[in-house]
Parts: sequence; C-alpha cells; structure tokens
Amino acid sequence: AQSVTQPDIHITVSEGASLELRCNYSYGATPYLFWYVQSPGQGLQLLLKYFSGDTLVQGIKGFEAEFKRSQSSFNLRKPSVHWSDAAEYFCAVDGDYKLSFGAGTTVTVRA
Amino acid sequence: GAVVSQHPSWVICKSGTSVKIECRSLDFQATTMFWYRQFPKQSLMLMATSNEGSKATYEQGVEKDKFLINHASLTLSTLTVTSAHPEDSSFYICSARPGLTEQETQYFGPGTRLLVL
Repeated sequence: AQSVTQPDIHITVSEGASLELRCNYSYGATPYLFWYVQSPGQGLQLLLKYFSGDTLVQGIKGFEAEFKRSQSSFNLRKPSVHWSDAAEYFCAVDGDYKLSFGAGTTVTVRA
Repeated sequence: GAVVSQHPSWVICKSGTSVKIECRSLDFQATTMFWYRQFPKQSLMLMATSNEGSKATYEQGVEKDKFLINHASLTLSTLTVTSAHPEDSSFYICSARPGLTEQETQYFGPGTRLLVL
C-alpha cells in the first residue's frame, strides 16, 4: 500500500524568502505524485504533478517540485514566497487510481 | 478548465434528518468521482469511489447504508448522509477524474461543511 509522509507540520517563512516543503512517499512501483494547496474552508487546488520524464516539475503560482527516486522524495519549492501563499499544502501519491495524502504542512507567511 | 462544483457549500440540519450533497464536473466528463471527509486540522480521508452507472466502492470502515452515493451521469455524483448525527459533522470534499486524457489527476470541489445539531 502507498503512503505519504510530510515531516513538517508547520512552517513559518518571511515574505520574499524561499520555501521548501518536504514529502516522502512509499510505493512499490513508479508513483504518480501530486502537490495540492488548500486555503481555509476551501477545496484543494492542484499545484503540480509528476508522472514520468523530467524530474523537475513546474507548477502554478511559481511552485516547482523535484522527484528523487533514490530518496523517495518529492519536495515542493518556491523561490520567493508571497503573503497569499499562506495555506495548507498536501502531498499525495496515486496508487491503483486512489490518492493517499500526507498529513499536510501549514505555511504561515510573516511580513 | 477542470472545474468541480459542490452544492451546498454549507448545510445545518437536525439530528435524524438526511442531507444530500451534489458534486458536478462543470467542463469535463468524469468517469470516476471520489468522496472525502476532512476533520479540522487533518488530512483528507477517502470515503468512497464512484463510477458512472455502477455501485460505489466504499473504503473500509465507511458505512455504505449511512453514506449513500449515486453517480447518475458523467457530470454528477451525489452523497446522501442518512439519519445524520452530530458525529457526522465534518467537511466533505468531492473530486472528479477526467476519463480519457488525464486518467490519474483528480480535481477537487470547494467542499461542503455539514453541521448536525
């Protein structure tokens, strides 16, 4: 069975600073990996996804993620954070066409 | 593209009543839709998977008689919480997967917050 671990429950970052959110997955085959963002009281918005090919994936809102098979990781990055990036971020892996989510990382942006 | 809507966004009901939540894919056909439940400050838990025209597949521990799912068309799935009780209060989120071109990607609705008094 697949699983996802997001080691950081809460991250606080200054506006304009860089952000990196960690994600480790467990899955026997080549995974389909996703990052979603959720604003308070809202549904999930897809930031980016990895299926195959180039291990550095570009997404919306200036986010990117790098797939590292050797480390079973799919970390999300953004070079310069905006106050509007404050939200909950979920990493997910698709196995057998069902998503398994990590526990999520709350990002707080300070002025 | 790939917009999913849910209705209602908020619902308050009395204990013992039934509540229906609709999930619609607005600009694509969804062969598969999913229903999730999310408790405060927690991740999403998959409740069931529904395929158009067939019975839903429920995850272990989810009562199929309590959470009725109907996927009547390629753009509409409904979740009915029957005889709701306060412990059913939660945030319910649906997602839809486009059938042919993006088989692995799920697009999520904005969620429905249910409060049972």
